[in-house]
Amino acid sequence: GESVGLHLPTLSVQEGDNSIINCAYSNSASDYFIWYKQESGKGPQFIIDIRSNMDKRQGQRVTVLLNKTVKHLSLQIAATQPGDSAVYFCAENNNAGNMLTFGGGTRLMVKP
Amino acid sequence: EAQVTQNPRYLITVTGKKLTVTCSQNMNHEYMSWYRQDPGLGLRQIYYSMNVEVTDKGDVPEGYKVSRKEKRNFPLILESPSPNQTSLYFCASKRGGGADTQYFGPGTRLTVL
Repeated sequence: GESVGLHLPTLSVQEGDNSIINCAYSNSASDYFIWYKQESGKGPQFIIDIRSNMDKRQGQRVTVLLNKTVKHLSLQIAATQPGDSAVYFCAENNNAGNMLTFGGGTRLMVKP
Repeated sequence: EAQVTQNPRYLITVTGKKLTVTCSQNMNHEYMSWYRQDPGLGLRQIYYSMNVEVTDKGDVPEGYKVSRKEKRNFPLILESPSPNQTSLYFCASKRGGGADTQYFGPGTRLTVL
C-alpha cells in the first residue's frame, strides 16, 4: 500500500480498549471540522464532523470533542477494533468553506 | 455507486514531459478539489473549483493547472513536471461551498524522474 507518512505520531492500543486521537487546529475562524480515516492505499474516508457551534458530537462508536478556547479537537473511538488501524487526520474548513486544511495525521495501531 | 475516480493510479514520467491526471465524480457535485500528500507534510490543497469555469488557488498551486469545463470532470495538468512534484495526489468533491463533507478519490501516485 501507499505510505502516507514516514514519521507520524503513533498510538498503539489493545483491541477492545478506547482510543483518543488529538489534534490542534490553527485558525480560530474555522467553523467546521472533520475527521478522516486513511487506510493504506486508499483515499481519506469521512468519519465524523462537527460545527463550531457545538462542543461534542457522537456517531457510531466515535465521538468528536471540540474545545474552541484552546483550538483543540479530539476523536474518541470506543471498543477499538483491528479494522480501525489506519492514519487519522483532522481537517478544518476555512475561507467560507472553500478550503480544507489538514493536520499532520496520527497512525492508530490496534493490537489483537 | 457514488464515487470519485482518478486516472491513472500510478504514473512514472520524466522532467518536463507534460501530463494530465483526470478526475471524475458521478454525484453531481459543484465543488471539486485537488490535494497532494507528502510524508511529514500531510495533505495540502492545490486548486479547487466551486463550479464549471470557476477555479481558484489552494495552498500549493505553483507548477499546476486545472480546468473545469464540465461539472463532473476536474483534470490536473502539469505542464512541465519536476522531481519535487513527485507525490500522491487526491481529487475530492462535495455538493457545494460551505461546510460539507468532501469525498476523496483513490489517489494517483506520480513519480517524476
